[in-house]
Amino acid sequence: KNQVEQSPQSLIILEGKNCTLQCNYTVSPFSNLRWYKQDTGRGPVSLTIMTFSENTKSNGRYTATLDADTKQSSLHITASQLSDSASYICVVTSDFTGGGNKLTFGTGTQLKVEL
Amino acid sequence: NAGVTQTPKFRILKIGQSMTLQCTQDMNHNYMYWYRQDPGMGLKLIYYSVGAGITDKGEVPNGYNVSRSTTEDFPLRLELAAPSQTSVYFCASSAGTSGLYNEQFFGPGTRLTVL
Repeated sequence: KNQVEQSPQSLIILEGKNCTLQCNYTVSPFSNLRWYKQDTGRGPVSLTIMTFSENTKSNGRYTATLDADTKQSSLHITASQLSDSASYICVVTSDFTGGGNKLTFGTGTQLKVEL
Repeated sequence: NAGVTQTPKFRILKIGQSMTLQCTQDMNHNYMYWYRQDPGMGLKLIYYSVGAGITDKGEVPNGYNVSRSTTEDFPLRLELAAPSQTSVYFCASSAGTSGLYNEQFFGPGTRLTVL
C-alpha cells in the first residue's frame, strides 16, 4: 500500500532556531516529491519539487533533501520566523505508463514558531 | 490572477440537505481536483477532471458529484448531506500531471459542518 509518513506530528521551536522535518514513503512507482506549506485556514502552497535524480533543493530558507534509495526526504528550515508556523505536507507522485498519475499525501507536520 | 477561488468559506448543513461548492480558476489549467481534509489525515481525492466535459472518480467519491462544463469552473455537489461529510474541502488545479507541471494550486478551502 502506498503510504507517506511524516514526523514529527507537531513541533514547537523558538524563533531563529533551525528545524528538520522528515518524510518516509513507500510509494511506487516514484516520479517526484513535493513539500507543501499550509497556513492555518488556507490551501497548501508548493515549496519544492524533487525528482529521482535530485538530492538537494533550496527555496530561500527551506532546503529539501531526497534519498531515493532509502525513500526518505527531509525539509530543513533555517533561522525560523513566526511566519513559518504552518503545516508542512509531503506529497509523492506516481506517474503511470500511458498517462495519469496518483498523488499520495502525508498527514503533515504542524510547526509552531514562538518568540 | 486570482488563482483558485472557492465559495462559500463556511457552511453548516442539516442532515439530508444538498449544496454545491463552487470552484473557479483563472490560470487556464486543464486539470482540476476536489479534495477533502479531515483532522489528522492527509488530503483525500474526491473527484478530478482532465478537461472540460471529462471527470473521473478519486479515492472517496461516494456522496458527491461533479461537473465540468467550462475550463474555469468545477463545482462539487453534495446530495443528502451526512455527518461523515463534515470536513474541509479544497479545490485545486494544475497545468499538467508530469514533473513541474503537476504542481497543484489550491483554493482557500470550504469548511463544511453537517449537523
